[in-house]
Amino acid sequence: QVRLQESGPGLVKPSETLSLICTVSGASIKSSSHYWGWIRQSPGKGLEWIGTVYTDGRNHYNPSLTSRVTISGDMSKNHFSLNLTSATAADTGVYFCARHSPDFWTGTPGYMDVWGKGTTVIVSS
Amino acid sequence: EIVLTQSPGTLSLSPGDRATLSCRASQHFSSSFLAWYQHKPDQAPRLLIYGTSTRPTGIPDRFSGSGSGTDFTLTISRLEPEDFAMYYCQQYADSPRTFGQGTKVEIK
Repeated sequence: QVRLQESGPGLVKPSETLSLICTVSGASIKSSSHYWGWIRQSPGKGLEWIGTVYTDGRNHYNPSLTSRVTISGDMSKNHFSLNLTSATAADTGVYFCARHSPDFWTGTPGYMDVWGKGTTVIVSS
Repeated sequence: EIVLTQSPGTLSLSPGDRATLSCRASQHFSSSFLAWYQHKPDQAPRLLIYGTSTRPTGIPDRFSGSGSGTDFTLTISRLEPEDFAMYYCQQYADSPRTFGQGTKVEIK
């Protein structure tokens, strides 16, 4: 059974970088033909898709965040990470990691078939 | 970006009732690219439906999806106690992927 677990600081200061890790068990991010990505939920904006990284390192990002976000995989540790620079209060929320199945027709990130439980991040001084 | 609007915001029903949840898109897209999720507090969201109407292995057949164009529906034929939760639709036809704001199915 594939499981995902988010981890990282629960409190980040404004202007600093928000960094989270998603540890994967029951599957290899190196060999699995899936995208691995992040979604967040904030009171003001509901669920917001942040982006993904593929097995070969390719990324897809939300255009609204692309200037600040990096998602990358560490094959040796079987985890992937999220870095969001210049954090503000608007980045406060619950962050979920999720496995995305490649869409059959386009090959791009499709539906999310496995999720983590989420981790809360507050951006505040 | 494709905006998804779910209705109603809250559905108050009793176990055994039929639940009908709506998801309307701001622009037309192929029904191949619509998913539904269930989310309960302190749990990981669960994929219920993808491709508008396909259930993953392990999802009970009381959950069904339908729709096309801009109008999509999730139906729960007979509510079980464990079905009271938040439900979200999501499109993967266009970038960025977007979600509806959710429908809460609560016990009446």
